Amino acid sequence: NAGVMQNPRHLVRRRGQEARLRCSPMKGHSHVYWYRQLPEEGLKFMVYLQKENIIDESGMPKERFSAEFPKEGPSILRIQQVVRGDSAAYFCASSPRWRPLALGADTQYFGPGTRLTVL
Amino acid sequence: AQSVSQHNHHVILSEAASLELGCNYSYGGTVNLFWYVQYPGQHLQLLLKYFSGDPLVKGIKGFEAEFIKSKFSFNLRKPSVQWSDTAEYFCAVIADQTGANNLFFGTGTRLTVIP
Repeated sequence: NAGVMQNPRHLVRRRGQEARLRCSPMKGHSHVYWYRQLPEEGLKFMVYLQKENIIDESGMPKERFSAEFPKEGPSILRIQQVVRGDSAAYFCASSPRWRPLALGADTQYFGPGTRLTVL
Repeated sequence: AQSVSQHNHHVILSEAASLELGCNYSYGGTVNLFWYVQYPGQHLQLLLKYFSGDPLVKGIKGFEAEFIKSKFSFNLRKPSVQWSDTAEYFCAVIADQTGANNLFFGTGTRLTVIP
């Protein structure tokens, strides 16, 4: 059973270009989370998606960032007109379902991350 | 402000020493608590998690953590570390405020074990 896949592992962009990060969840998982890790910081939540739906994007910057999880294919995190401050590691995690905390939230399984460098 | 605090930024131990990594959180209400580990060059892996029941939780590779509700703490312990435990350790919390079950992470503790 393959784990969470992310590609590319490393991405270099110049300021003003677009970055597209892909995440394929584990087989059978329909819930995807994106997190960002800035240098010397912990991971910070960006967005939570289910197939064809954005459930919570409260951690996403208001401009230039968007995410989707289509019915077929991987989840995509898109950053338009990248700036140097977007340089970070972007992690995707997947889980099979949503459960209330009282019953124990499903474990989130993480991918290897995409390291974005903006020149 | 709501947060997860890991006070130890970098810990250096000799093999066979005991380990305790601190984690405190500031969320009220129902929480689920996690410790993840990231070995060099690898992705985050779950060490253990707690949501209810016995506050002393056993995880993989000999790790355990104790949930102390009154102290809002979830410290990670291992009685005798090995060189292979060299990694970065992240404490994380899911709080019930958002409903999304997203994880709130501490800034991580880098553990270096000297052979």
